[in-house]
Amino acid sequence: QKEVEQNSGPLSVPEGAIASLNCTYSDRGSQSFFWYRQYSGKSPELIMSIYSNGDKEDGRFTAQLNKASQYVSLLIRDSQPSDSATYLCAARRGSNYQLIWGAGTKLIIKP
Amino acid sequence: GAGVSQSPSNKVTEKGKDVELRCDPISGHTALYWYRQRLGQGLEFLIYFQGNSAPDKSGLPSDRFSAERTGESVSTLTIQRTQQEDSAVYLCASSLRAGQANTEAFFGQGTRLTVV
Repeated sequence: QKEVEQNSGPLSVPEGAIASLNCTYSDRGSQSFFWYRQYSGKSPELIMSIYSNGDKEDGRFTAQLNKASQYVSLLIRDSQPSDSATYLCAARRGSNYQLIWGAGTKLIIKP
Repeated sequence: GAGVSQSPSNKVTEKGKDVELRCDPISGHTALYWYRQRLGQGLEFLIYFQGNSAPDKSGLPSDRFSAERTGESVSTLTIQRTQQEDSAVYLCASSLRAGQANTEAFFGQGTRLTVV
């Protein structure tokens, strides 16, 4: 069983709409969660991190964490074609160094 | 430096040759990770360094792969007797420290290795 799961997509969203990306994890000891964006042919770029239940907003991005249900999501408001990329979710257990990665969701924003 | 720097950006090598990939982490970052990403695939963990020691080498695919880190700075990943299945992008990431849950990791631009 994969420890961090994401729908591989592609998820197609019209420009200007809200894109919702989801990630579930199996290890209840996971405490830190990270969203990365990876453009085709490029390396992953950190978008946001979240550690506490609830929402965390940064510009057009909102990360949501629900530890009871073991899911973390990323909302992208006012989606732009430049948001088209693969979004990777990662989790870390406590102070463990190891990042557990999901396989990523491919997001396509249609003009 | 301002970010994680990897060199070379691209490397084409003949099957059977040895290659050395370099990673220069963000200054002050004690934790360093190597990953491999095959085309269209996810991140595959290779090795982790805390300072100059490598507590976890479990992801190294075979004994042809080795890595070292000196001076809590630059790390090199060496692949001996390269095979075509070694073709991939090799990514390095660093973080300020590994023993804290909220530590964020930052990636270099990667080295695209092609074995012909």
